[in-house]
Amino acid sequence: QSALTQPASVSGSPGQSITISCTGTSSDVGGYNYVSWYQQHPGKAPKLMISEVSNRPSGVSNRFSGSKSGNTASLTISGLQAEDEADYYCSSYTDINTRVFGGGTRLTVL
Amino acid sequence: EVHLVESGGGLVQPGGSLRLSCSASGFTFSNAWMHWVRQAPGKGLVWVSRIYSDGTGATYADSVKGRFTISRDNAKNTLYLQMNSLRAEDTAVYYCARDLAYSLHDWGQGNLVTVSS
Repeated sequence: QSALTQPASVSGSPGQSITISCTGTSSDVGGYNYVSWYQQHPGKAPKLMISEVSNRPSGVSNRFSGSKSGNTASLTISGLQAEDEADYYCSSYTDINTRVFGGGTRLTVL
Repeated sequence: EVHLVESGGGLVQPGGSLRLSCSASGFTFSNAWMHWVRQAPGKGLVWVSRIYSDGTGATYADSVKGRFTISRDNAKNTLYLQMNSLRAEDTAVYYCARDLAYSLHDWGQGNLVTVSS
């Protein structure tokens, strides 16, 4: 049950786009379309931003989008805003019927 | 509106036990798979356990297998996590979460468990 691999940090200026990668294996990310992404502001509970690789829950801005290629999933945030500054985590269903998270990525809006 | 409220956390000595509860409202609890996720201070999210809607199918992370037990009481709309043989590395904020389409759609506010002598 090794954690999925995410970059520790990314940054971008307001209005720009950024992409956060999430690399796993064929036993998790690559094997199922059950990758989800979560946003967490300091001291707050995580919030679901993307489910099933690319689905946006009701109320989530369309500036957030998800995709997957092979064993790597990606979260793209377009039109960066100050309020997007947060930690982001990916997660995947696994072939042993568990879940696994990535290590998290700190997004800084410059 | 979905509401998940964790309780039962606190300070416990190494080797001790604690039972967390998660009270659910705003959805049909008996139809929902539920999870526990934890976050050590300053660290990332770690999945802990999941249970099916009918109380079967419990699975665990290797780090807690044999020490933690997830359960639920659908009549009380409550999820539990029994934690035994606690270690310092179990210190974390524990979140309960509702599963929807294999994602953790709704989260509680979290409950801090501190294992220390």
